[in-house]
Amino acid sequence: EMQLVESGGGLVQPGGSLRLSCTASGFSLSNYDMSWVRQAPGKGLESVAFLSSGGDAIDYADSVKGRFTISRDNAKNSLYLQMHSLRAEDTSRYYCARDIAEGRYLDWSLHYFYYMDVWGKGTTVTVSS
Amino acid sequence: SSELTQDPAVSVALGQTVRMTCQGDSLRSYFATWYQQKPGQAPLLVIYGNTNRPSGIPDRFSGSSSENTASLTITGAQAEDEADYYCNSRDSIDNHLGVFGGGTRLTVL
Repeated sequence: EMQLVESGGGLVQPGGSLRLSCTASGFSLSNYDMSWVRQAPGKGLESVAFLSSGGDAIDYADSVKGRFTISRDNAKNSLYLQMHSLRAEDTSRYYCARDIAEGRYLDWSLHYFYYMDVWGKGTTVTVSS
Repeated sequence: SSELTQDPAVSVALGQTVRMTCQGDSLRSYFATWYQQKPGQAPLLVIYGNTNRPSGIPDRFSGSSSENTASLTITGAQAEDEADYYCNSRDSIDNHLGVFGGGTRLTVL
């Protein structure tokens, strides 16, 4: 069974740092693009970071750019999100997800379906003094 | 970045059909994905590529798209379908993050 398990969340003061981990089982994380998605209490979903399988493409939401860093350790089959300069508005549940770009030929041309098919249960980050 | 707009809430009587919509300019160029999220749970992929259902998703869930609007239809809604539903799509070739709609809360009466 394919599974993702996040850890590392907790209570941190504004301006502090935290590192989230996401460990995969049932598949090799190195073969897939991966994302971090967060959800503030009572709010919707927001993608915050993306890392391609080859490491050649990394994207961050404007709200976290310059403060968060996504990385992976293939030997540990794990994905990470290093968070610095945390703010109250970073308070959220953070999910890691396997990110798929599936190519299909439709009407004689190649199109891509983008979706996240495996999600962890999340880890909660609370930024408060 | 572009936006995806969803109705905040819809309701449906048990066993009836409900359609939820998602509007945004990005849907003219990119396929829609739909996620179901029940309270206290992680999102679950229910539709990708506008119309495709992952294995294990009941066939009462279907998707469609036209112009700038994607739709998720549940035909014969069940009590267990009560959840928040989020649409998602890419908004440019350079941005791998994509964008989520604000979500629709479905109540099954």
